[in-house]
Amino acid sequence: DAKTTQPNSMESNEEEPVHLPCNHSTISGTDYIHWYRQLPSQGPEYVIHGLTSNVNNRMASLAIAEDRKSSTLILHRATLRDAAVYYCILSAGANNLFFGTGTRLTVIP
Amino acid sequence: DARVTQTPRHKVTEMGQEVTMRCQPILGHNTVFWYRQTMMQGLELLAYFRNRAPLDDSGMPKDRFSAEMPDATLATLKIQPSEPRDSAVYFCASGFYGLGAYNEQFFGPGTRLTVL
Repeated sequence: DAKTTQPNSMESNEEEPVHLPCNHSTISGTDYIHWYRQLPSQGPEYVIHGLTSNVNNRMASLAIAEDRKSSTLILHRATLRDAAVYYCILSAGANNLFFGTGTRLTVIP
Repeated sequence: DARVTQTPRHKVTEMGQEVTMRCQPILGHNTVFWYRQTMMQGLELLAYFRNRAPLDDSGMPKDRFSAEMPDATLATLKIQPSEPRDSAVYFCASGFYGLGAYNEQFFGPGTRLTVL
């Protein structure tokens, strides 16, 4: 499986935008980019996914570089509830997801 | 609000005892996953089923772990005999796999297992 590289941790002020980066230089043409997050003491939850084009949903936006070697998850206005570990995952399907260590996001009131 | 349920939420047992964890997937989902999460290893996929048939259990220690789906509403993960190194949070997730459908995984709240 292609690997992803994420910063171990990031901080953001409440109500400000957050840009969570992910590098995936060995991505293959069939790999989707999936983002999940895990709130404290909960199971992971799906955030967003994309293949080539930028994607938006009610939770976040996903910006994918033109060469697909990196992507950025954008939370438009961070809230305290967004404090979580964010996982960037590559997979051709949505079955075999390797979660890695993710980025721990701290939101400062 | 449909969600994956897992029982028990917490389990403390002694080494050598049998442990059974249960999962009720979301109605209509045809794929069920079992994961294990520890501080050292992070979140690992143990096994997954589609339409109740095991598709991949390569992540599961075969000698003591077994996973089954007796019916579409119940998945079980059994450890026999349990060992202290099995202490972890075990998550079940379910999703729908179909042509053209994105198989988003919905996770349950997990079972926290402590083996003394």
